[in-house]
Amino acid sequence: AQSVTQLGSHVSVSEGALVLLRCNYSSSVPPYLFWYVQYPNQGLQLLLKYTSAATLVKGINGFEAEFKKSETSFHLTKPSAHMSDAAEYFCAVSDLGGGSNYKLTFGKGTLLTVNP
Amino acid sequence: ETGVTQTPRHLVMGMTNKKSLKCEQHLGHNAMYWYKQSAKKPLELMFVYSLEERVENNSVPSRFSPECPNSSHLFLHLHTLQPEDSALYLCASSQVPPSNYGYTFGSGTRLTVV
Repeated sequence: AQSVTQLGSHVSVSEGALVLLRCNYSSSVPPYLFWYVQYPNQGLQLLLKYTSAATLVKGINGFEAEFKKSETSFHLTKPSAHMSDAAEYFCAVSDLGGGSNYKLTFGKGTLLTVNP
Repeated sequence: ETGVTQTPRHLVMGMTNKKSLKCEQHLGHNAMYWYKQSAKKPLELMFVYSLEERVENNSVPSRFSPECPNSSHLFLHLHTLQPEDSALYLCASSQVPPSNYGYTFGSGTRLTVV
Protein backbone atom coordinates (compact mmCIF):
# COMPACT_ATOMS: atom_id res chain seq x y z
CA ALA A 1 0.00 0.00 0.00
CA GLN A 2 1.16 3.50 -0.73
CA SER A 3 0.67 6.71 1.19
CA VAL A 4 1.72 10.34 1.07
CA THR A 5 2.31 12.72 3.95
CA GLN A 6 2.55 16.45 3.39
CA LEU A 7 4.01 18.14 6.43
CA GLY A 8 2.28 21.42 7.12
CA SER A 9 -1.21 22.12 5.87
CA HIS A 10 -0.35 25.81 5.54
CA VAL A 11 2.95 27.46 4.65
CA SER A 12 3.41 31.22 4.56
CA VAL A 13 6.39 32.94 2.95
CA SER A 14 7.34 36.46 1.95
CA GLU A 15 7.61 37.42 -1.69
CA GLY A 16 11.14 36.64 -2.86
CA ALA A 17 11.76 34.07 -0.14
CA LEU A 18 12.51 30.39 -0.61
CA VAL A 19 9.52 28.09 -0.93
CA LEU A 20 9.84 24.61 0.59
CA LEU A 21 6.87 22.26 0.63
CA ARG A 22 7.48 18.85 2.17
CA CYS A 23 6.30 15.48 0.94
CA ASN A 24 7.16 12.05 2.28
CA TYR A 25 5.88 8.88 0.73
CA SER A 26 5.49 5.26 1.62
CA SER A 27 5.57 2.66 -1.10
CA SER A 28 6.52 -0.97 -1.25
CA VAL A 29 7.89 -0.61 -4.76
CA PRO A 30 9.81 2.18 -6.52
CA PRO A 31 7.29 4.95 -6.92
CA TYR A 32 6.47 7.55 -9.47
CA LEU A 33 5.88 10.88 -7.75
CA PHE A 34 4.00 14.00 -8.77
CA TRP A 35 3.35 17.53 -7.58
CA TYR A 36 0.15 19.27 -8.56
CA VAL A 37 -0.96 22.86 -8.02
CA GLN A 38 -4.53 24.05 -7.58
CA TYR A 39 -5.57 27.67 -7.89
CA PRO A 40 -8.90 28.76 -6.34
CA ASN A 41 -11.91 27.15 -8.00
CA GLN A 42 -9.74 25.36 -10.53
CA GLY A 43 -8.73 21.77 -11.10
CA LEU A 44 -5.31 20.35 -10.30
CA GLN A 45 -2.50 21.13 -12.73
CA LEU A 46 0.64 19.01 -13.02
CA LEU A 47 3.74 20.91 -11.84
CA LEU A 48 6.34 18.17 -12.22
CA LYS A 49 6.87 14.44 -11.97
CA TYR A 50 9.57 11.94 -11.04
CA THR A 51 9.58 8.77 -13.11
CA SER A 52 12.91 7.14 -12.17
CA ALA A 53 15.13 9.21 -14.41
CA ALA A 54 17.01 12.18 -12.91
CA THR A 55 16.43 12.60 -9.19
CA LEU A 56 16.26 16.39 -9.49
CA VAL A 57 13.17 17.26 -11.47
CA LYS A 58 12.40 20.67 -12.88
CA GLY A 59 8.81 21.75 -13.46
CA ILE A 60 6.80 24.71 -14.58
CA ASN A 61 6.85 28.16 -12.97
CA GLY A 62 10.39 27.73 -11.62
CA PHE A 63 9.58 24.86 -9.25
CA GLU A 64 11.76 21.83 -8.77
CA ALA A 65 11.76 18.74 -6.57
CA GLU A 66 14.38 16.23 -5.55
CA PHE A 67 13.69 12.54 -5.10
CA LYS A 68 15.61 11.19 -2.09
CA LYS A 69 15.11 7.47 -1.75
CA SER A 70 16.99 7.23 1.56
CA GLU A 71 14.64 9.79 3.09
CA THR A 72 11.55 8.67 1.15
CA SER A 73 11.02 12.33 0.34
CA PHE A 74 10.08 14.44 -2.66
CA HIS A 75 10.11 18.01 -1.40
CA LEU A 76 9.08 20.87 -3.67
CA THR A 77 11.18 24.04 -3.78
CA LYS A 78 11.35 27.37 -5.53
CA PRO A 79 14.18 29.82 -4.87
CA SER A 80 12.08 32.99 -4.93
CA ALA A 81 8.35 33.12 -4.29
CA HIS A 82 6.02 35.22 -6.40
CA MET A 83 2.59 36.42 -5.41
CA SER A 84 1.18 34.28 -8.23
CA ASP A 85 2.49 31.13 -6.49
CA ALA A 86 -0.22 31.40 -3.85
CA ALA A 87 -2.23 28.21 -4.27
CA GLU A 88 -2.71 24.75 -2.82
CA TYR A 89 -0.10 22.12 -3.65
CA PHE A 90 -0.65 18.38 -3.68
CA CYS A 91 1.93 15.61 -3.70
CA ALA A 92 0.89 12.26 -5.19
CA VAL A 93 2.41 8.80 -5.60
CA SER A 94 1.70 6.12 -8.17
CA ASP A 95 2.38 2.58 -7.09
CA LEU A 96 3.91 0.50 -9.83
CA GLY A 97 2.04 -2.55 -8.66
CA GLY A 98 1.24 -5.15 -11.26
CA GLY A 99 -1.98 -5.68 -13.13
CA SER A 100 -4.26 -2.80 -13.98
CA ASN A 101 -3.05 -0.44 -11.30
CA TYR A 102 -4.66 2.87 -12.04
CA LYS A 103 -4.52 4.89 -8.86
CA LEU A 104 -2.62 7.88 -7.68
CA THR A 105 -2.63 8.45 -3.94
CA PHE A 106 -2.77 12.13 -3.01
CA GLY A 107 -1.56 13.94 0.07
CA LYS A 108 -3.87 16.26 1.97
CA GLY A 109 -2.44 19.34 0.35
CA THR A 110 -0.42 22.35 1.53
CA LEU A 111 -1.83 25.84 1.15
CA LEU A 112 0.90 28.30 0.22
CA THR A 113 0.39 31.95 1.13
CA VAL A 114 2.78 34.59 -0.25
CA ASN A 115 2.98 37.85 1.65
CA PRO A 116 4.03 41.10 -0.06
CA GLU B 1 -7.29 24.47 -21.78
CA THR B 2 -6.48 21.35 -19.76
CA GLY B 3 -7.78 18.78 -22.20
CA VAL B 4 -10.49 17.69 -19.79
CA THR B 5 -13.67 19.76 -19.97
CA GLN B 6 -16.27 19.81 -17.22
CA THR B 7 -19.73 21.34 -17.48
CA PRO B 8 -21.34 23.16 -15.91
CA ARG B 9 -18.73 25.15 -13.98
CA HIS B 10 -21.24 26.14 -11.32
CA LEU B 11 -24.48 24.46 -10.28
CA VAL B 12 -27.01 25.32 -7.63
CA MET B 13 -29.68 22.74 -7.00
CA GLY B 14 -32.40 22.03 -4.52
CA MET B 15 -32.48 18.84 -2.52
CA THR B 16 -35.30 17.41 -4.64
CA ASN B 17 -33.75 18.20 -8.01
CA LYS B 18 -32.08 15.87 -10.47
CA LYS B 19 -29.06 17.13 -12.35
CA SER B 20 -26.04 15.75 -14.14
CA LEU B 21 -22.39 16.74 -14.30
CA LYS B 22 -20.54 16.11 -17.54
CA CYS B 23 -16.88 15.43 -18.20
CA GLU B 24 -15.26 15.08 -21.60
CA GLN B 25 -11.70 14.28 -22.66
CA HIS B 26 -10.12 13.89 -26.07
CA LEU B 27 -6.64 12.95 -24.89
CA GLY B 28 -6.94 9.31 -25.85
CA HIS B 29 -7.00 8.30 -22.19
CA ASN B 30 -8.70 5.09 -21.14
CA ALA B 31 -9.47 5.76 -17.48
CA MET B 32 -11.67 8.45 -15.94
CA TYR B 33 -12.25 9.47 -12.34
CA TRP B 34 -14.62 11.48 -10.18
CA TYR B 35 -13.27 13.21 -7.11
CA LYS B 36 -15.06 15.23 -4.46
CA GLN B 37 -13.21 18.13 -2.87
CA SER B 38 -14.84 19.67 0.20
CA ALA B 39 -13.48 22.61 2.14
CA LYS B 40 -10.67 21.63 4.51
CA LYS B 41 -10.92 17.94 3.59
CA PRO B 42 -8.63 15.74 1.51
CA LEU B 43 -9.51 14.82 -2.03
CA GLU B 44 -12.02 11.98 -2.00
CA LEU B 45 -11.94 9.48 -4.83
CA MET B 46 -15.54 8.61 -5.67
CA PHE B 47 -15.53 6.47 -8.82
CA VAL B 48 -13.05 5.06 -11.29
CA TYR B 49 -13.76 3.83 -14.78
CA SER B 50 -11.07 1.91 -16.60
CA LEU B 51 -11.72 0.89 -20.20
CA GLU B 52 -15.34 1.99 -19.67
CA GLU B 53 -15.91 -0.39 -16.78
CA ARG B 54 -16.43 0.82 -13.25
CA VAL B 55 -13.54 -0.55 -11.26
CA GLU B 56 -13.95 1.36 -8.04
CA ASN B 57 -16.79 2.78 -6.02
CA ASN B 58 -15.58 4.14 -2.72
CA SER B 59 -18.74 3.66 -0.66
CA VAL B 60 -20.41 6.59 -2.35
CA PRO B 61 -24.11 7.10 -1.49
CA SER B 62 -26.56 5.95 -4.13
CA ARG B 63 -27.76 9.51 -4.68
CA PHE B 64 -24.61 9.80 -6.83
CA SER B 65 -24.79 7.67 -9.97
CA PRO B 66 -21.92 7.61 -12.49
CA GLU B 67 -22.18 6.75 -16.14
CA CYS B 68 -19.41 6.19 -18.66
CA PRO B 69 -20.94 5.66 -22.14
CA ASN B 70 -17.55 5.67 -23.90
CA SER B 71 -13.91 6.34 -23.14
CA SER B 72 -14.27 10.07 -23.79
CA HIS B 73 -17.29 10.90 -21.65
CA LEU B 74 -18.14 10.56 -17.99
CA PHE B 75 -21.28 11.71 -16.21
CA LEU B 76 -22.27 12.04 -12.59
CA HIS B 77 -26.03 11.93 -12.11
CA LEU B 78 -27.27 13.61 -8.96
CA HIS B 79 -30.62 13.23 -7.19
CA THR B 80 -32.02 14.06 -3.76
CA LEU B 81 -28.72 15.51 -2.59
CA GLN B 82 -28.00 16.85 0.86
CA PRO B 83 -26.42 20.20 1.79
CA GLU B 84 -23.24 18.38 2.86
CA ASP B 85 -22.83 17.28 -0.75
CA SER B 86 -21.93 20.86 -1.66
CA ALA B 87 -18.36 20.72 -2.92
CA LEU B 88 -16.08 21.02 -5.93
CA TYR B 89 -16.44 17.92 -8.10
CA LEU B 90 -13.38 17.16 -10.15
CA CYS B 91 -13.09 14.87 -13.12
CA ALA B 92 -9.74 13.45 -14.21
CA SER B 93 -8.49 11.14 -16.90
CA SER B 94 -5.35 9.09 -17.44
CA GLN B 95 -3.78 6.23 -19.25
CA VAL B 96 -3.89 2.90 -17.45
CA PRO B 97 -1.67 2.70 -15.54
CA PRO B 98 -1.14 6.42 -14.89
CA SER B 99 2.43 5.86 -13.79
CA ASN B 100 4.29 7.92 -16.35
CA TYR B 101 1.95 10.81 -16.81
CA GLY B 102 -0.33 11.03 -13.82
CA TYR B 103 -3.79 12.44 -14.18
CA THR B 104 -5.16 15.31 -16.22
CA PHE B 105 -7.84 17.19 -14.30
CA GLY B 106 -10.76 19.28 -15.43
CA SER B 107 -11.53 22.65 -13.86
CA GLY B 108 -14.31 21.20 -11.75
CA THR B 109 -17.97 21.86 -11.10
CA ARG B 110 -18.75 23.92 -8.01
CA LEU B 111 -21.96 22.37 -6.65
CA THR B 112 -24.14 24.08 -4.08
CA VAL B 113 -27.09 22.20 -2.64
CA VAL B 114 -29.74 24.41 -1.08
